[in-house]
Amino acid sequence: SAVISQKPSRDICQRGTSLTIQCQVDSQVTMMFWYRQQPGQSLTLIATANQGSEATYESGFVIDKFPISRPNLTFSTLTVSNMSPEDSSIYLCSVQTTNEKLFFGSGTQLSVL
Amino acid sequence: QQPVQSPQAVILREGEDAVINCSSSKALYSVHWYRQKHGEAPVFLMILLKGGEQKGHEKISASFNEKKQQSSLYLTASQLSYSGTYFCGTPLVRGSTLGRLYFGRGTQLTVWP
Repeated sequence: SAVISQKPSRDICQRGTSLTIQCQVDSQVTMMFWYRQQPGQSLTLIATANQGSEATYESGFVIDKFPISRPNLTFSTLTVSNMSPEDSSIYLCSVQTTNEKLFFGSGTQLSVL
Repeated sequence: QQPVQSPQAVILREGEDAVINCSSSKALYSVHWYRQKHGEAPVFLMILLKGGEQKGHEKISASFNEKKQQSSLYLTASQLSYSGTYFCGTPLVRGSTLGRLYFGRGTQLTVWP
């Protein structure tokens, strides 16, 4: 299993500002992902955080809006840039273990005013 | 293509059974099942990798019919702790990293005493 710590757990931000979310895993993992869960909705994959190279973004998500860093095998950050109310969501870090399970962090609940 | 889950919501009495279905218009290569309790991160239940595969976890089991492009989650003798939203997930692309998942919209299960 993997224990994932996400910070902050929640934040209220002003329109036009940026927020960086941190994800720390208690063990080295190859695959880390960032998901978004809009209110009452399903989980949508934003990107795969690659260690040592640029993140791989899914359709509809771009690096300028959601820059991601992955400096090592236990840590990643997701920045939500130039926020608007439509960015209000729960952002979840997840990691894939060798037995193919996905573990999720507790999430960051973001509200943009 | 996002997998389609049905029903959207289920209300049960403790001890009753429930079935949640997950289907796709595209071929399913594997199916993941997760449960999310309110305000918490999704938790892995099981993954089915092969058509015809069936798995069980306590009184929760699942089947995967690759030809019919569907999977079903069976909850037997429901307990109060089963309440939550159940999501099925399928790989975005065949052969891609299993952590890159399309999730269904979820089925909200409520178990009453």
